[in-house]
Amino acid sequence: AAGVIQSPRHLIKEKRETATLKCYPIPRHDTVYWYQQGPGQDPQFLISFYEKMQSDKGSIPDRFSAQQFSDYHSELNMSSLELGDSALYFCASRRQGGTEAFFGQGTRLTVV
Amino acid sequence: DAKTTQPPSMDCAEGRAANLPCNHSTISGNEYVYWYRQIHSQGPQYIIHGLKNNETNEMASLIITEDRKSSTLILPHATLRDTAVYYCIVRTRPLHTGTASKLTFGTGTRLQVTL
Repeated sequence: AAGVIQSPRHLIKEKRETATLKCYPIPRHDTVYWYQQGPGQDPQFLISFYEKMQSDKGSIPDRFSAQQFSDYHSELNMSSLELGDSALYFCASRRQGGTEAFFGQGTRLTVV
Repeated sequence: DAKTTQPPSMDCAEGRAANLPCNHSTISGNEYVYWYRQIHSQGPQYIIHGLKNNETNEMASLIITEDRKSSTLILPHATLRDTAVYYCIVRTRPLHTGTASKLTFGTGTRLQVTL
């Protein structure tokens, strides 16, 4: 069965650079969630989208932005990267009315 | 969403049942109990969810107390591959009108299955 696809799987950036993370939800899933998980921490909700509209916002820094496109894939844009942005970034998708969210394997971002 | 409390860690012998408790004393009537697990740095994986009745699927059983203030996830025959962090999450069921109904992860239980 198709799963949530995230790319890239690994990314190394320098401080103050920009990064773009991509998420391709399961087909026919219209809701996307983004989470950040720092080393040794639990996943923290960043932002979510339903039908290409922002649905909810968590602890997402102003330096980050995200959007969901017409094909339902989503991108998380991160600017002025800081060392503290080094983390695993997970995307999850869910179909409207579905009971569970399915997570991708994550993108590991390392800022040096 | 209601707050949950779980023990930080538990051990279980392989082949035995693993019983993971969760307290959610402030749960409201329209909130469901969800369980996810995260195997080392992988994406969290859905296990099971329930409202008030006990639930069972191919992975686990979920026992919810009658007052709904606590629940227990049961892995009937734990294997080494069940070693993971288990998260108990309480949230409202996603509505059909377009809300995303996020999952809020607390501090889960680190289950270590041993030989």
